[in-house]
Amino acid sequence: EVQLVQSGAEVKKPGESLRISCKGSGYSFTSYWISWVRQMPGKGLEWMGRIDPSDSYTNYSPSFQGHVTISADKSISTAYLQWSSLKASDTAMYYCARHRMGGDPTLIFDYWGQGTLVTVSS
Amino acid sequence: EIVLTQSPGTLSLSPGERATLSCRASQSVSSSYLAWYQQKPGQAPRLLIYGASSRATGIPDRFSGSGSGTDFTLTISRLEPEDFAVYYCQQYGSFGTFGQGTKVEIK
Repeated sequence: EVQLVQSGAEVKKPGESLRISCKGSGYSFTSYWISWVRQMPGKGLEWMGRIDPSDSYTNYSPSFQGHVTISADKSISTAYLQWSSLKASDTAMYYCARHRMGGDPTLIFDYWGQGTLVTVSS
Repeated sequence: EIVLTQSPGTLSLSPGERATLSCRASQSVSSSYLAWYQQKPGQAPRLLIYGASSRATGIPDRFSGSGSGTDFTLTISRLEPEDFAVYYCQQYGSFGTFGQGTKVEIK
């Protein structure tokens, strides 16, 4: 069974750093791209960026470029999303999602993590 | 950036009725790179349709997608109780952008 299991909820202060994780299982982790998607409270979905876990090649939505970093450790089948300096506006639910076709960067997502709620407040 | 506008914002219907959801793009979506997702409260989104009209694995045939260019439609032929949720369209031809969602609620 394909599963993406994300790390737990986080409460941080503005200016702090954070890394959240997404562990894949039940499939070949290096064969499928992973994306991260943001959902702000009561709002819609926003694609942030994607990574090819086989070589850690990434690209980002222009809206998120320079604000977050996506990485992966294929030895432990885990993708990461990190911030170096959080802002209150980063408060949101963050989902990782697996791309539908192996080896294909096309942004169709067939499996999703359960989400990680990040709250940034002083 | 392609902007997707979904209508209506909320659709109030009864179980058994037909639901028709619209998604309009600000410019043509290449190769019908249009998907639909369902999201229930407290849950992650679920892929329903990709390529404008192809059902994802395990999706019941009461869900169907159609359209091309700038106008796309998701139809639920007969609403089941579990279909009341928020639906998002997404274009994936140029990066990936989502519509703002349509809530299908019980009338």
